[in-house]
Amino acid sequence: GENVEQHPSTLSVQEGDSAVIKCTYSDSASNYFPWYKQELGKRPQLIIDIRSNVGEKKDQRIAVTLNKTAKHFSLHITETQPEDSAVYFCAFTGGGNKLTFGTGTQLKVEL
Amino acid sequence: NAGVTQTPKFRILKIGQSMTLQCAQDMNHNYMYWYRQDPGMGLKLIYYSVGAGITDKGEVPNGYNVSRSTTEDFPLRLELAAPSQTSVYFCATSSGRGRNLTQYFGPGTRLTVL
Repeated sequence: GENVEQHPSTLSVQEGDSAVIKCTYSDSASNYFPWYKQELGKRPQLIIDIRSNVGEKKDQRIAVTLNKTAKHFSLHITETQPEDSAVYFCAFTGGGNKLTFGTGTQLKVEL
Repeated sequence: NAGVTQTPKFRILKIGQSMTLQCAQDMNHNYMYWYRQDPGMGLKLIYYSVGAGITDKGEVPNGYNVSRSTTEDFPLRLELAAPSQTSVYFCATSSGRGRNLTQYFGPGTRLTVL
């Protein structure tokens, strides 16, 4: 079946530093790659997504890069702030609208 | 617009009991999904629906049933609750039209089976 590996499982950075989370997927037909942020006790919320025909997408301090050849995509957060502390999930979809989620990265931004 | 709503927020069940988790949306989305999230883990797809009258199994369907009689509602049924079903359950929707693949999640139902 489809699966995705997400690394690291935990990440601690100093406020103002950058954070990078990487996911590797198995299905070469995948065409949509969203990233979700989940705060403690809350629902997952989409923060950025990218399609297979684009290599990079940026939204203020958040960017996502996609390497289709290597089948991996990464989330980049610059100038991290305490409110960025949360669990981040990557996901991908191939045919249809079913998402396969990664296991999550607990990001902690320390003052 | 309320978006995606779920009831109840919390529930404690005894082993062998049954219950229905409710999910409703007012976004006129075609696609609806049920996920479970175990502590410290990612989301796993239980069942999904691409429209009224159409449902299909996801990754972990055993012990659950669904129905989709209307566009708005997608209830999840647990027939014989087991401790392994202790989890947080999220309902989600997506448009299913054109290139819009974004999934929107409800607030979740926290279920404990004792």
